[in-house]
Amino acid sequence: DGGITQSPKYLFRKEGQNVTLSCEQNLNHDAMYWYRQDPGQGLRLIYYSQIVNDFQKGDIAEGYSVSREKKESFPLTVTSAQKNPTAFYLCASSIIGTENTEAFFGQGTRLTVV
Amino acid sequence: AQSVAQPEDQVNVAEGNPLTVKCTYSVSGNPYLFWYVQYPNRGLQFLLKYITGDNLVKGSYGFEAEFNKSQTSFHLKKPSALVSDSALYFCAVRPGSAGNMLTFGGGTRLMVKP
Repeated sequence: DGGITQSPKYLFRKEGQNVTLSCEQNLNHDAMYWYRQDPGQGLRLIYYSQIVNDFQKGDIAEGYSVSREKKESFPLTVTSAQKNPTAFYLCASSIIGTENTEAFFGQGTRLTVV
Repeated sequence: AQSVAQPEDQVNVAEGNPLTVKCTYSVSGNPYLFWYVQYPNRGLQFLLKYITGDNLVKGSYGFEAEFNKSQTSFHLKKPSALVSDSALYFCAVRPGSAGNMLTFGGGTRLMVKP
């Protein structure tokens, strides 16, 4: 099946720890994105990448880091510098072009600080 | 910078009645517009998009949306609501130039009552 896979579905983090959320896609998409969703709020862009080994900060990048070593993978690390990391994290991917430009989303990872 | 507004946090409608979920946008140039639906603890599912052409776009599950350039709106509609349509709906915009990321509205919760 083609698609975008996030893991784990649920993640618990102790204060002061870094954690990494996985996002893998086999859609051959160039662009990948990380969004954060808080209860009752929309999606806010954390980071995005349009090509391997390159990525840009979104609206709320502080306290997060990413890498794009492979086209298929775009892991997100939530660092101890992120003061309020409890949220639902969504990864997405899309092609870059003028047609078929919708983004495809993974099923999300719910991160809870304990 | 682009932006999306969904003026209603929640829309309530009786089953069988028509529904409308509102969306207005601001973007430079021609917009690509999208609607997504989210069920609890799940990722976003693509419903429909406007790229160019006919202003009335038909999508999944009987949903449609009307693009109105003069009013910069892209309202989601369905002639007859189902209880199973109850979910969180997001409108998103992307500039008509390749490579730019989606900007989402804050979401509208649709409640369809039997």
